[in-house]
Amino acid sequence: DTEVTQTPKHLVMGMTNKKSLKCEQHMGHRAMYWYKQKAKKPPELMFVYSYEKLSINESVPSRFSPECPNSSLLNLHLHALQPEDSALYLCASSHPRGIRSPLHFGNGTRLTVT
Amino acid sequence: GIQVEQSPPDLILQEGANSTLRCNFSDSVNNLQWFHQNPWGQLINLFYIPSGTKQNGRLSATTVATERYSLLYISSSQTTDSGVYFCAVGLAGGTSYGKLTFGQGTILTVHP
Repeated sequence: DTEVTQTPKHLVMGMTNKKSLKCEQHMGHRAMYWYKQKAKKPPELMFVYSYEKLSINESVPSRFSPECPNSSLLNLHLHALQPEDSALYLCASSHPRGIRSPLHFGNGTRLTVT
Repeated sequence: GIQVEQSPPDLILQEGANSTLRCNFSDSVNNLQWFHQNPWGQLINLFYIPSGTKQNGRLSATTVATERYSLLYISSSQTTDSGVYFCAVGLAGGTSYGKLTFGQGTILTVHP
């Protein structure tokens, strides 16, 4: 069983909808990440939170809005998405800066934008 | 940004065979990880190995940071080893901490 839990597993949304992806970890990690993965491509970093503060935003469009309410939770709010945003969205966690630590991924949310 | 090249892009094996996957990177790194993505999309961390050698069962990995490459060895392959193997690296220093750049992956197919 993965130690990083993502919900929902699948999501279909229209271009005018607002939805949220959720991620939870209980490993005591203080760094959390959102990655996007298109079919047959490697994951691409979107956002990094360190100690609940946004530390890296890889020039992601504003229709993606991350939120880190506490050290265990990470959300990704979606609004006015485009069909090309359909992808697997992966959450990950690790120890933050200064502590060498592997990245642990959740099972992902497979998003389809219609 | 840093370039990460993995080879071979595709690999087909018979069950029981051994294989070596390679990851070359273009800059100094202090973070290198190997992942396996199974056919259902689950990404599993195999090794955190910015330098040196590690072994875990039938898998082992070696990173020679000074020469900017890492190798993943799979021995006595099984059908469950099928999937995509990714190498991911992070640059040494500063504001780039936490940013991992993934290679394009090696697609491994193990036939029974």
